[in-house]
Amino acid sequence: NAGVTQTPKFQVLKTGQSMTLQCAQDMNHNSMYWYRQDPGMGLRLIYYSASEGTTDKGEVPNGYNVSRLNKREFSLRLESAAPSQTSVYFCASTPLGQISTGELFFGEGSRLTVL
Amino acid sequence: AQSVTQPDIHITVSEGASLELRCNYSYGATPYLFWYVQSPGQGLQLLLKYFSGDTLVQGIKGFEAEFKRSQSSFNLRKPSVHWSDAAEYFCAVGAGAGNMLTFGGGTRLMVKP
Repeated sequence: NAGVTQTPKFQVLKTGQSMTLQCAQDMNHNSMYWYRQDPGMGLRLIYYSASEGTTDKGEVPNGYNVSRLNKREFSLRLESAAPSQTSVYFCASTPLGQISTGELFFGEGSRLTVL
Repeated sequence: AQSVTQPDIHITVSEGASLELRCNYSYGATPYLFWYVQSPGQGLQLLLKYFSGDTLVQGIKGFEAEFKRSQSSFNLRKPSVHWSDAAEYFCAVGAGAGNMLTFGGGTRLMVKP
């Protein structure tokens, strides 16, 4: 009963390096999301995918790209990491059309440090 | 655009004491309101939600919240706190179907034995 799985859980990068955060869900959910969490700022939406084949920008998309590989997987890529991208990243999912119910299912997070 | 304010960054209560976490929102119509809890090293879990109807909603783990339109508030309460309630709590607002959630900055709850 995995739910939402994120990898890696921890990563340290140097400025300018690239990396991809992976997310997979086994609940047959249609919609998937990437958030970042910074102290005192709650969670801010980076990108989301309402359904397979679609992606849209959220509140803070600059410096990130996403790929909805299939219904299960939604990856977040940092092409050229910056110290401002040091954060904890959360992937979440929900059934299609259910965002208004608020029941997002979250992964355990990926802590990224950019030096 | 909607916004959420959680005025208290940290709160410490004694085990067995009552708890109230404050949440104020800004939105032009009746919003969808949520409380999430995040235990250390974990993702967020939905505690309760309000869409319409009865303004006092019950959630999991013995929590409840009351929607007060006149005060634009949705405060979370628990009559008797347990040590396992120590966590960070997030209030969130959604503007309806298809709209994304906006989260507050969070309140970290510590419980004294």
